[in-house]
Amino acid sequence: GAGVSQTPSNKVTEKGKYVELRCDPISGHTALYWYRQSLGQGPEFLIYFQGTGAADDSGLPNDRFFAVRPEGSVSTLKIQRTERGDSAVYLCASSPGLDYGDTQYFGPGTRLTVL
Amino acid sequence: LAKTTQPISMDSYEGQEVNITCSHNNIATNDYITWYQQFPSQGPRFIIQGYKTKVTNEVASLFIPADRKSSTLSLPRVSLSDTAVYYCLVGDITFGNEKLTFGTGTRLTIIP
Repeated sequence: GAGVSQTPSNKVTEKGKYVELRCDPISGHTALYWYRQSLGQGPEFLIYFQGTGAADDSGLPNDRFFAVRPEGSVSTLKIQRTERGDSAVYLCASSPGLDYGDTQYFGPGTRLTVL
Repeated sequence: LAKTTQPISMDSYEGQEVNITCSHNNIATNDYITWYQQFPSQGPRFIIQGYKTKVTNEVASLFIPADRKSSTLSLPRVSLSDTAVYYCLVGDITFGNEKLTFGTGTRLTIIP
């Protein structure tokens, strides 16, 4: 079946604006993750959902970042008052969520550029 | 979380076997070792995971010595398409500890 999809693939915005990044996980996967990857670095964990609830949001850098998953499938990462330092690739991953250590399947990411 | 150390970059010729070693001196009893591969403009992709000794799948082998303070990812007969960044991750995969902690990875370049 289809893999994890993310939209848009690229987003350019101005400092101070609000942005939403969307993730469509693999159908049936109950676990969903958001990561952020800066140039030359490995992905950095932001938040993890099990079903509709955020099981671990310890990676969100500050209160400008928020994520939802209202129906337990699609998730939206929301960034308020964007700053230039928010520029990065935002990756979404999903896993079946049925067992410990389930493999995480990553999407292609959304490249966010804040001017 | 156990910290990992791996080479920043490696070069190899097509057809050779490539071994990438990762050090994780403070690995904990419940920690597993997982390797991911990432191509440009793509998300990471799971390659292999192990706890001890040797694990082999259709893509790679993972060698873990008895003290588990290091691990080696072995890619047999590499091709140009194996050029990518390879990440070694060490972490507790029990319930409630699903987040992955990536380092900076090893940039592998395959030379024709």
